[in-house]
Amino acid sequence: DVKVTQSSRYLVKRTGEKVFLECVQDMDHENMFWYRQDPGLGLRLIYFSYDVKMKEKGDIPEGYSVSREKKERFSLILESASTNQTSMYLCASSLQLNTEAFFGQGTRLTVV
Amino acid sequence: QKEVEQDPGPLSVPEGAIVSLNCTYSNSAFQYFMWYRQYSRKGPELLMYTYSSGNKEDGRFTAQVDKSSKYISLFIRDSQPSDSATYLCAIPYTGTASKLTFGTGTRLQVTL
Repeated sequence: DVKVTQSSRYLVKRTGEKVFLECVQDMDHENMFWYRQDPGLGLRLIYFSYDVKMKEKGDIPEGYSVSREKKERFSLILESASTNQTSMYLCASSLQLNTEAFFGQGTRLTVV
Repeated sequence: QKEVEQDPGPLSVPEGAIVSLNCTYSNSAFQYFMWYRQYSRKGPELLMYTYSSGNKEDGRFTAQVDKSSKYISLFIRDSQPSDSATYLCAIPYTGTASKLTFGTGTRLQVTL
């Protein structure tokens, strides 16, 4: 069974903290994505990576960075967490950039 | 204008009803369309995909595309409480800016 696993289901962090969200996939996919999902706004792409050490900005990259040191792992970093980054964060992977994306279970991050 | 628009709902129907979920899109070049289903506190999963012509049926689900109106629909027959979820349409971009673009999702509640 294909799997995308996110390290945490729920996180509570303080404003200004540096936050790491980890994602691992076992499908040997080249492409990995980070989205955030907010009511009324849907899924918005933060960053994606099409190869190890390669990354591209999505639609809302401000305040975030990413790291992909190994093919199976893609990390999202909030350099200095702010309350407007409270959201559901979803990691996904896919064989090609525009084919079926397989999602993790999501991390609900609350910044207080 | 957003590339993909979807009524967020919520949509509440009684068990056994026929449900119609819809998206509109702006770019007539789109050829390929997807529907994802997302249960509460889970990541989205691909439900169906369809090409630009005709209907596609899978059990109680039918995906339909009207290219002249730039309108895609997902019909659910004999709806069940287990169909209660958020349904997202997604459209793949091709070419140099390959990506998936998601609608905001429609929340469906099927009541007993």
